[in-house]
Amino acid sequence: NAGVMQNPRHLVRRRGQEARLRCSPMKGHSHVYWYRQLPEEGLKFMVYLQKENIIDESGMPKERFSAEFPKEGPSILRIQQVVRGDSAAYFCASSPQGSAYNEQFFGPGTRLTVL
Amino acid sequence: TQLLEQSPQFLSIQEGENLTVYCNSSSVFSSLQWYRQEPGEGPVLLVTVVTGGEVKKLKRLTFQFGDARKDSSLHITAAQPGDTGLYLCARPRGGAQKLVFGQGTRLTINP
Repeated sequence: NAGVMQNPRHLVRRRGQEARLRCSPMKGHSHVYWYRQLPEEGLKFMVYLQKENIIDESGMPKERFSAEFPKEGPSILRIQQVVRGDSAAYFCASSPQGSAYNEQFFGPGTRLTVL
Repeated sequence: TQLLEQSPQFLSIQEGENLTVYCNSSSVFSSLQWYRQEPGEGPVLLVTVVTGGEVKKLKRLTFQFGDARKDSSLHITAAQPGDTGLYLCARPRGGAQKLVFGQGTRLTINP
């Protein structure tokens, strides 16, 4: 059973470009979460999605950031007009429907570097 | 506001020694998860504790949930270089699905 998959693993963008990060949840999981991790810090929640719905985006910046989880295909985190401060590791996690303690399973992350 | 405080932030010890790291909060939580993250990888779930006073063992790792469910500890016996990594505790935030993480304890085991 494949785990959570993320691609690309590394992404380099120049200021002002767009970054698109993809996440395929574990088979059978319908809940997807995105987190951001800055160097030497813990993970910070960004957004929680179910298929075709954004459930909680309270941790996501209001501008330039968007997320989707379409009926078919991976979840996408999009960052428009990237700035140097967007450089971080972005992790996707998934969980099954009805998880009692919200145990989440993480992908390997996408490391974004903005030049 | 940091809802989970982990200590120590950094710990470097010799192979074979024992160690304990802590995760504390000022509020009660319904459950707590421990993850280990290795460089360049995502966090891997180690254990979930849910009952006050609960103790769970995973080989040389012992996890304890405080009686009042405000704190937790992770004890490693006879540490090995393979235990090196960032240890994170996390809790669900209120009734929401999102997890709140501590800042982690970065553990280095020297051969």
